[in-house]
Amino acid sequence: GENVEQHPSTLSVQEGDSAVIKCTYSDSASNYFPWYKQELGKRPQLIIDIRSNVGEKKDQRIAVTLNKTAKHFSLHITETQPEDSAVYFCAASIRYTGTASKLTFGTGTRLQVTL
Amino acid sequence: NAGVTQTPKFRVLKTGQSMTLLCAQDMNHEYMYWYRQDPGMGLRLIHYSVGEGTTAKGEVPDGYNVSRLKKQNFLLGLESAAPSQTSVYFCASTGEFDYGYTFGSGTRLTVV
Repeated sequence: GENVEQHPSTLSVQEGDSAVIKCTYSDSASNYFPWYKQELGKRPQLIIDIRSNVGEKKDQRIAVTLNKTAKHFSLHITETQPEDSAVYFCAASIRYTGTASKLTFGTGTRLQVTL
Repeated sequence: NAGVTQTPKFRVLKTGQSMTLLCAQDMNHEYMYWYRQDPGMGLRLIHYSVGEGTTAKGEVPDGYNVSRLKKQNFLLGLESAAPSQTSVYFCASTGEFDYGYTFGSGTRLTVV
């Protein structure tokens, strides 16, 4: 089955700096790569996702890049703010319309944005 | 539109006791999932369902059973709870044409 590795496990940045979280996956058939943000005591929430036919996707201060050849994808957060502090999870799955997507998650990165 | 609702939110069980966690979604989603979240281990898939009356094993199914008698509900059962099942349990759902999961708010279970 799929295996997703995520690094680093903790990341501390100063407000305004950029943060990068990296993930690798093992199954070359995986084609869907979402990122979830989980605040303390809350549910994971989807913040951005990318499909294998796209190399990069941006949404305001958040961007995700995908390298299918190397089987890795990354989350980039620019101009970090204190409200970005949370645990971030990457995930991977094989996803086609009409079939269930079983997400395999990374182990999470605790991001702390300091003033 | 409540999304995905999990009950209960907290529970303490004694070793050997049984319980059922309920997940209900009002989005007419086909696919439903149960994950457990443990520190440093991310979210791991326990069981999932691709439609009413169907269930399948995930990555860590041992000690759990599930049922999906109605499309909107997905139940997770622990027949004989063990301390190793102390965890936060999340239910999630997604539709046939959707990609991202919608998660419930979680159930924090402690087995003593």
